[in-house]
Order: sequence, then C-alpha cells, then structure tokens
Amino acid sequence: DVKVTQSSRYLVKRTGEKVFLECVQDMDHENMFWYRQDPGLGLRLIYFSYDVKMKEKGDIPEGYSVSREKKERFSLILESASTNQTSMYLCASSWDGETQYFGPGTRLLVL
Amino acid sequence: GIQVEQSPPDLILQEGANSTLRCNFSDSVNNLQWFHQNPWGQLINLFYIPSGTKQNGRLSATTVATERYSLLYISSSQTTDSGVYFCAVPTSGTYKYIFGTGTRLKVLA
Repeated sequence: DVKVTQSSRYLVKRTGEKVFLECVQDMDHENMFWYRQDPGLGLRLIYFSYDVKMKEKGDIPEGYSVSREKKERFSLILESASTNQTSMYLCASSWDGETQYFGPGTRLLVL
Repeated sequence: GIQVEQSPPDLILQEGANSTLRCNFSDSVNNLQWFHQNPWGQLINLFYIPSGTKQNGRLSATTVATERYSLLYISSSQTTDSGVYFCAVPTSGTYKYIFGTGTRLKVLA
C-alpha cells in the first residue's frame, strides 16, 4: 500500500514565523503535490513537483515556496506565516499523474 | 479555466438508503477522480474514471465524458460512508487537478 506521511497533524504558529511542512511518500512516486483546504472552497493546488528539484506553481502559490531535494520528500515552506494561511494542508503523491494518494493532512493555526 | 461543480452540497440519509452524487465539469477531460474524505480529514481515492462505469463493492461511478458529467452511486449506505465526497479533474495537459467543492454526506443510524 502507498503510504504518504506528513510531519504534523496539528501545528500552531505565530504571525511572521517561518513554517516548514514536510511530506514523505514511500512508493517512489515521481509527482508530489501540496494543497490547502478551506471551508466552501474545496482543495486548491499550491505547488506540485514532477521530479527532484523540479516544481511548478499551482493556483495559489503566493506566500509559499517548496523544496524537493529527494524524490520521497516534498516540503512546503511558509516564509512568514500570516493569519490567512490558517488552513488544512494536504500532501499527495502519484506515479502517473492519474491516481493521487493523500497524506493525513496538517491543520495549521497561525495566531 | 475548467470549472467543476458538485451537487448536492449536502445530503442526509438513513442507513440503508441509496444516493447519487453528481459532478459536472465545463471542459473535456481525459481523467476524473472521486475521493472520500472521512471525518478525520483523510482523503481516500475511490475511483479513477475518465469514462465508462466502474464498481467497487457498494460504490459505483459512471463518467459520460461527452456530456461532461460523472455520477457516484452509493448503495445501502452505512454510517462509515459519512464524510465529504470530491471529484477532481486535471487541467488540460497537466497534472494540476481542479477539485469540486464537495458533497457532504451524513448517514444516520
């Protein structure tokens, strides 16, 4: 079975802090994704990566950056957290870009 | 860009009832996925169904790509079916998925 893990289930940070969210998958998938989920808005793509060191912006990349130094790990970075980045963050991976497998999510609260 | 709409937004069922969830999309697609998000937030892939019909136990899905919609059928619903159901389609030629806003299902015992 594919396993996608995220570093934290819950996180509380202060405005202005630098925040790292990590995602690890164990199935050698080429593609990895970061989404945020907000009530009434569904899931929105922040960034995705189709190979090590390769990344592409999604629909809402502002205020975020990503890092993919190793194939199994995809990090989402909030350079200076703001209250409007309070959200549920979901990581996913896929081999073929078709079937996506999701991690359990990180609920981030920025105070 | 492509628009994805799901209906109904909310659904309450008694255990044992059947239901149909709908996903409409505004442009032709070569891929469509259905997901279930459980009350703890975990998203599970249910179907990858760009066209045709698939069945998995009590769940089945049909996509009519030419008419730009997909249906998810839940038969003999159980309380564990509760959660939010999402459909998602990729923007043309990319792996960037657009998600609908979901159907929130509550199954009562």
